[in-house]
Amino acid sequence: QSALTQPASVSGSPGQSITISCTGTSSDVGGYNYVSWYQQHPGKAPKLMIYEVSNRPSGVSNRFSGSKSGNTASLTISGLQAEDEADYYCSSYTSSSLVFGGGTKLTVL
Amino acid sequence: EVQLVQSGAEVKKPGESLKISCKGSGYSFTSYWIGWVRQMPGKGLEWMGIIYPGDSDTRYSPSFQGQVTISADKSISTAYLQWSSLKASDTAMYYCARLRMSSGYYFDYWGQGTLVTVSS
Repeated sequence: QSALTQPASVSGSPGQSITISCTGTSSDVGGYNYVSWYQQHPGKAPKLMIYEVSNRPSGVSNRFSGSKSGNTASLTISGLQAEDEADYYCSSYTSSSLVFGGGTKLTVL
Repeated sequence: EVQLVQSGAEVKKPGESLKISCKGSGYSFTSYWIGWVRQMPGKGLEWMGIIYPGDSDTRYSPSFQGQVTISADKSISTAYLQWSSLKASDTAMYYCARLRMSSGYYFDYWGQGTLVTVSS
């Protein structure tokens, strides 16, 4: 299966909001409400930020939100903070397996 | 507290075999799938496969089928990822993670990663 498509990089200033897109097909993102998002700081393991399109695990800031329209899912981070600078990956269920996006590097200016 | 603790970094030569481990604690190890994820240097995440330690049901990504073997020993709450003949292209960080399959197919807890370096 092909990787989901994410922008290579996005940036924003502290306090601003940014959105990262994740585009797939009707066989993955569009076919199931099983999109998740992970944050990865350099040298660290990924951390779950959003699951089932828009649910936040306990302990994840409500500045992080997820949505989906058709074959594209989105992660929005509001009130950007310096600590949000990291790589972000989307993932979707597809045919008894999982597929990840290529990752997006978020830079907080 | 749920924890997945992986074995330490490995340096191997091409053609050698290797088995890395992932020990779960703080939850019922036999009740959740465990997955393995590869991250090559400077690259993104790739799903390799999953195993259900309760009955060792295993599923592989087509990209990794035949290239690696995933197994588990439920008596010691440990999952494994092994290679019979390493290649330089296997150099990567490997993560294990607990998969929530019944409610959304996502990884909720991750190990710290095992760095595998294959070089002659």
